[in-house]
Amino acid sequence: AQSVTQLGSHVSVSEGALVLLRCNYSSSVPPYLFWYVQYPNQGLQLLLKYTTGATLVKGINGFEAEFKKSETSFHLTKPSAHMSDAAEYFCAVSENNQGGKLIFGQGTELSVKP
Amino acid sequence: DAGITQSPRHKVTETGTPVTLRCHQTENHRYMYWYRQDPGHGLRLIHYSYGVKDTDKGEVSDGYSVSRSKTEDFLLTLESATSSQTSVYFCAISELGGGAREQYFGPGTRLTVT
Repeated sequence: AQSVTQLGSHVSVSEGALVLLRCNYSSSVPPYLFWYVQYPNQGLQLLLKYTTGATLVKGINGFEAEFKKSETSFHLTKPSAHMSDAAEYFCAVSENNQGGKLIFGQGTELSVKP
Repeated sequence: DAGITQSPRHKVTETGTPVTLRCHQTENHRYMYWYRQDPGHGLRLIHYSYGVKDTDKGEVSDGYSVSRSKTEDFLLTLESATSSQTSVYFCAISELGGGAREQYFGPGTRLTVT
């Protein structure tokens, strides 16, 4: 069965600092991997996704993530945090032939200090 | 933004009463999903639909039923609401269900069962 673990339910960084949000997954087949962002009182918005090909994936708002099969990881990074990055971030995994069902991690709330 | 609306956006109801939440899309996407979001659990799939009158259960389907009589509408019904169903409910849509396709999320419905 698929599962997703996000290390750290809350991460706090200073403005301008590196953002690193960790995601590890388990899957019996090559997975599809997603990062979503949720701003307060809103729905989820896709940041980026990995399906096949290049393992370093670039997304919106300067975020990127690297798929590392050997480590079963898909960590999200951004070189320099902005105040507007404060939100909750969700990692999710999907397998083919499963109706596109997403399995989500628990979420990581990112705070950005001025 | 994908054309997804949810109604109502907020609802307070009493234990034992029936409740129906509506998801409406204008994208003509085939797949529709209902998730619930709870602190510490991320989002969990309740039910999904892969076409008109075609539905299947998700991870947390007990106590919920769904119906889809038109492509654009996907209804979630709590036959007899319980306090454990207090949550934020999100609808999502996807053009295809092949796993690699991202899902687009609605704004959510906050349900409180007293």
